[in-house]
Amino acid sequence: GEDVEQSLFLSVREGDSSVINCTYTDSSSTYLYWYKQEPGAGLQLLTYIFSNMDMKQDQRLTVLLNKKDKHLSLRIADTQTGDSAIYFCAESLDSSYKLIFGSGTRLLVRP
Amino acid sequence: GAVVSQHPSRVICKSGTSVKIECRSLDFQATTMFWYRQFPKKSLMLMATSNEGSKATYEQGVEKDKFLINHASLTLSTLTVTSAHPEDSSFYICSAGTGFRTDTQYFGPGTRLTVL
Repeated sequence: GEDVEQSLFLSVREGDSSVINCTYTDSSSTYLYWYKQEPGAGLQLLTYIFSNMDMKQDQRLTVLLNKKDKHLSLRIADTQTGDSAIYFCAESLDSSYKLIFGSGTRLLVRP
Repeated sequence: GAVVSQHPSRVICKSGTSVKIECRSLDFQATTMFWYRQFPKKSLMLMATSNEGSKATYEQGVEKDKFLINHASLTLSTLTVTSAHPEDSSFYICSAGTGFRTDTQYFGPGTRLTVL
C-alpha cells in the first residue's frame, strides 16, 4: 500500500546543513514533494521532483531521490533560525491532485 | 502569492452538535478545494475533494453524511462535521487549487476542532 515515513525530529546549529529524510513504498510515484509548515500557517510548497530525476537544486535546497531504495531527502544549506518548522514529504501517483503525506519532521535550528 | 484562509482557527464544541468550517481563497478562484485531516504526529489524510457546483468526492472510509462538504462558489468551501463526537477532534486543513497539478494547491492554516 501507500506509505510515506519520516523521522519526527531534527535539531541542528545555525549555519550547519540540515538533511531531512523520507522513505516511501509505492514505486509508481510520479512526483515527490517537500512542504514546509510554520506555526499558524498553511503548508508551503518548497520544491518537488519528478520521479525520473535524481537531484534538483534550488538555492539553499537540494533534493536527492534514490528510486531504487525509495528514499527522498531534502538538504538545507546554511540553515537559519527561520528554517525552523515542520517539513512534510509527500508523493503523488500521477499528476493529479491526490497527495500522500509523511508525518512530518520538526526541524529546530539552535542559535 | 495565493492566500487561503480558514475560519475558525480553533473551535470547541459539545458532543452531538454540528460544526461548520469555512475555507476561502482570498485572491484567486479555486476550481477545486481539498479537505484534509491531521492527527497528532500523523500525516495529513485527504478526506474529500470538492469541485465548485458539484458534489464532493470522498476518499474511502470517510463518511459523507458525517462530513458534509459544500463548494458553493469559486472562493468558498465549507466542511460541516455533523453530530460531532470526541473522536472527531482533530486538525482540519483545506487547500485550494487552480488546476489538478499539485504545485498549484495552496493550503489554509488549519482549524483545530475539539469535541468535549
